Amino acid sequence: DTGVSQDPRHKITKRGQNVTFRCDPISEHNRLYWYRQTLGQGPEFLTYFQNEAQLEKSRLLSDRFSAERPKGSFSTLEIQRTEQGDSAMYLCASSPPSLPETQYFGPGTRLLVL
Amino acid sequence: DQQVKQNSPSLSVQEGRISILNCDYTNSMFDYFLWYKKYPAEGPTFLISISSIKDKNEDGRFTVFLNKSAKHLSLHIVPSQPGDSAVYFCAASRNFYSGNTPLVFGKGTRLSVIA
Repeated sequence: DTGVSQDPRHKITKRGQNVTFRCDPISEHNRLYWYRQTLGQGPEFLTYFQNEAQLEKSRLLSDRFSAERPKGSFSTLEIQRTEQGDSAMYLCASSPPSLPETQYFGPGTRLLVL
Repeated sequence: DQQVKQNSPSLSVQEGRISILNCDYTNSMFDYFLWYKKYPAEGPTFLISISSIKDKNEDGRFTVFLNKSAKHLSLHIVPSQPGDSAVYFCAASRNFYSGNTPLVFGKGTRLSVIA
């Protein structure tokens, strides 16, 4: 059973550019979550999907952020017009229908905006 | 307003001894709690969880205790091993049947196990 995978693992971009991250959840996990983690903090919730439906978005998720989960499988998180404050680790997690409270995390994508 | 608090940023323990990591929460609606372990440059790894209907849950060397009246939980690691050195995050949620919400994390405690 493979775990949650994320791509890329690292991304360096210039301010104002758009970036897109991908997350592949554990097979048959119907819930998928995106979190952001900055230095010295715990992960902070951004948004989550149940199958293909986006059920909740945090107020942290500005208009420049958009997430999709077409067909209820992998998910993408896009940040438009990146700002230096977007520099963080972006974490994806998934949970199974049998135990929806327990989330399993991927390795994360570290974003640096110059 | 921090709903989940880990007041000790770091903890050092000798190998073979007990490690006790503490966590406090303020939101009485939380009824499911988890501990995660994180190594540098990796995502958090799920360790152990506890529902509010229990006050203790064990899994090998790891035991989580929940004191609902004090809104406090702790993770005990016995015996501590050098490989346990990592940052430990406490997280809280409402369980699925009470209206599942995403996890709310504390800021973490860095555990160093000294050989």
